[in-house]
Amino acid sequence: QQQVKQSPQSLIVQKGGISIINCAYENTAFDYFPWYQQFPGKGPALLIAIRPDVSEKKEGRFTISFNKSAKQFSLHIMDSQPGDSATYFCAASTSGYSTLTFGKGTMLLVSP
Amino acid sequence: DGGITQSPKYLFRKEGQNVTLSCEQNLNHDAMYWYRQDPGQGLRLIYYSQIVNDFQKGDIAEGYSVSREKKESFPLTVTSAQKNPTAFYLCASSGTSGRYLTDTQYFGPGTRLTVL
Repeated sequence: QQQVKQSPQSLIVQKGGISIINCAYENTAFDYFPWYQQFPGKGPALLIAIRPDVSEKKEGRFTISFNKSAKQFSLHIMDSQPGDSATYFCAASTSGYSTLTFGKGTMLLVSP
Repeated sequence: DGGITQSPKYLFRKEGQNVTLSCEQNLNHDAMYWYRQDPGQGLRLIYYSQIVNDFQKGDIAEGYSVSREKKESFPLTVTSAQKNPTAFYLCASSGTSGRYLTDTQYFGPGTRLTVL
């Protein structure tokens, strides 16, 4: 049973546009929601993470929006650049107790 | 430099052979993990270890084995019982606080295993 559903599977955005990737979870015990960025042939790297005590977290051009009642969270990439072209994974866990459960990933292509 | 190393980067094996993938970390992390990545499938947890000489099965442990004899090392053996072993394998580590896992996982560069 997939506990974290991620969409879309792939996304093409023009340079300067906004990229939006969505995730939904089922387990109400989850309280840590990170996003990882992976370039081809490399391991994923933590991009940004949020906990349910806030509804939004921003780091540079990257923003996580969190909706606890809907059990959804999303990644927004403002002013998308070709260098942002990568695969993005959302994940969730119960802080301190469980391992991360990952979404299936979104392949983002930012066209020049 | 602190980090996680995985070797080799590419590995080719004949069907029916066991193969061991290496993972070493110098981050002084207690917890280590192995994931398998297939196209369109995300990252699936194979095994994880919170402390030396102890490890737990993840979601897809069948056909795999691990050991944790040293804090820095967590090798993964892909056995001949694994029906479809060709994949990209990722090792990760994280800290612990007492008996609790800390949240951020740091990943190695991965090993691409191809079984011919």
